[in-house]
Amino acid sequence: DGGITQSPKYLFRKEGQNVTLSCEQNLNHDAMYWYRQDPGQGLRLIYYSQIVNDFQKGDIAEGYSVSREKKESFPLTVTSAQKNPTAFYLCASSNFRQNSPEAFFGQGTRLTVV
Amino acid sequence: GESVGLHLPTLSVQEGDNSIINCAYSNSASDYFIWYKQESGKGPQFIIDIRSNMDKRQGQRVTVLLNKTVKHLSLQIAATQPGDSAVYFCAEKGAWGKLTFGQGTILTVHP
Repeated sequence: DGGITQSPKYLFRKEGQNVTLSCEQNLNHDAMYWYRQDPGQGLRLIYYSQIVNDFQKGDIAEGYSVSREKKESFPLTVTSAQKNPTAFYLCASSNFRQNSPEAFFGQGTRLTVV
Repeated sequence: GESVGLHLPTLSVQEGDNSIINCAYSNSASDYFIWYKQESGKGPQFIIDIRSNMDKRQGQRVTVLLNKTVKHLSLQIAATQPGDSAVYFCAEKGAWGKLTFGQGTILTVHP
């Protein structure tokens, strides 16, 4: 089945560690996105990529990094510079140029700092 | 700046009732809006969308209304069922498909 796969579902990080969240899609979508969700709040955009080998900062990019070496993959690294990384992270993809450009989301990764 | 917000954070209804969830937006240039449903611990799921050249769009048991004059969206769910219990978000599509989300409304359906 086509879709977006995020892994792991749960991730624990120690203070000062970098961790990488995986996001893979087989929808042949050009654009991919990372959002962060805090309890009781909406989603906020961290980074997005319109095409392979290109990506742009979103509203809350500080302390995060991404890469887009393949169309199918858009991993997110949460660095030690991110002071409050505990959150629910959601990856999405879309063909925003099409008539129905809605974004499809993965099932999320819940990151906890221990 | 651009923002999308919701009037009510929680909504409780009885099974079989109709539900109405509201959303206000601030960017009058927005041309595409989406409603998402998010169940606990899961990613948002697409429900229905609407373009700015439309006032109303219907899906299965759901209707979205757009009032551009007052920059207001609503999602109507007919014959609400316990499985409809979730958080509902409206989102505004910007450049490159970026989405701006509101805070969300928690819908609770009582049997």
